[in-house]
Amino acid sequence: QKEVEQDPGPLSVPEGAIVSLNCTYSNSAFQYFMWYRQYSRKGPELLMYTYSSGNKEDGRFTAQVDKSSKYISLFIRDSQPSDSATYLCAMSAWNNAGNMLTFGGGTRLMVKP
Amino acid sequence: NAGVTQTPKFQVLKTGQSMTLQCAQDMNHEYMSWYRQDPGMGLRLIHYSVGAGITDQGEVPNGYNVSRSTTEDFPLRLLSAAPSQTSVYFCASREGGRYNSPLHFGNGTRLTVT
Repeated sequence: QKEVEQDPGPLSVPEGAIVSLNCTYSNSAFQYFMWYRQYSRKGPELLMYTYSSGNKEDGRFTAQVDKSSKYISLFIRDSQPSDSATYLCAMSAWNNAGNMLTFGGGTRLMVKP
Repeated sequence: NAGVTQTPKFQVLKTGQSMTLQCAQDMNHEYMSWYRQDPGMGLRLIHYSVGAGITDQGEVPNGYNVSRSTTEDFPLRLLSAAPSQTSVYFCASREGGRYNSPLHFGNGTRLTVT
């Protein structure tokens, strides 16, 4: 079983929809949680970063962490065609040498005009 | 400001050939790393470096070598290419000293081994 599980999709939604992307994990030592966005044939770019449990909002994006359930989510409000990309969750443990990240497999999102 | 630059963008190798994937960053980042990305597997760490002269293994290091003689450059060497090394390779860097500093990725090298 992978340490971080993510539904690969693709997830297809109409423009303006609310999108929910999720990851589950098994390592209770994970403390730092990130979401990266990756456009086709590009490298991933950091979208959101959270530490421990709770919510964090940035514009149309909200990241949510539930450590008791080992479950993290990314919500996108008023989704746009420009949000079409692969979304990767990533996480790391406290005092992890080199701050190594463990990534999920990515969810491909398509927002249709 | 170029960020993280990877060359080449594409490469085709025959089994048994060797090659070096180049990575350079101009942000004076201490930490650099190499990942491979395969369908459904996400990004997996191959090797990383926390500073010039210091390297360490990640999750999938077999078949790859790295060195870090300067802060800017972190080349990845494939010693004897195998079809299982067909993948997209990403180099990434981040600031040292700040535990939560984000990773900056290059745009990848797409490698096919036949």
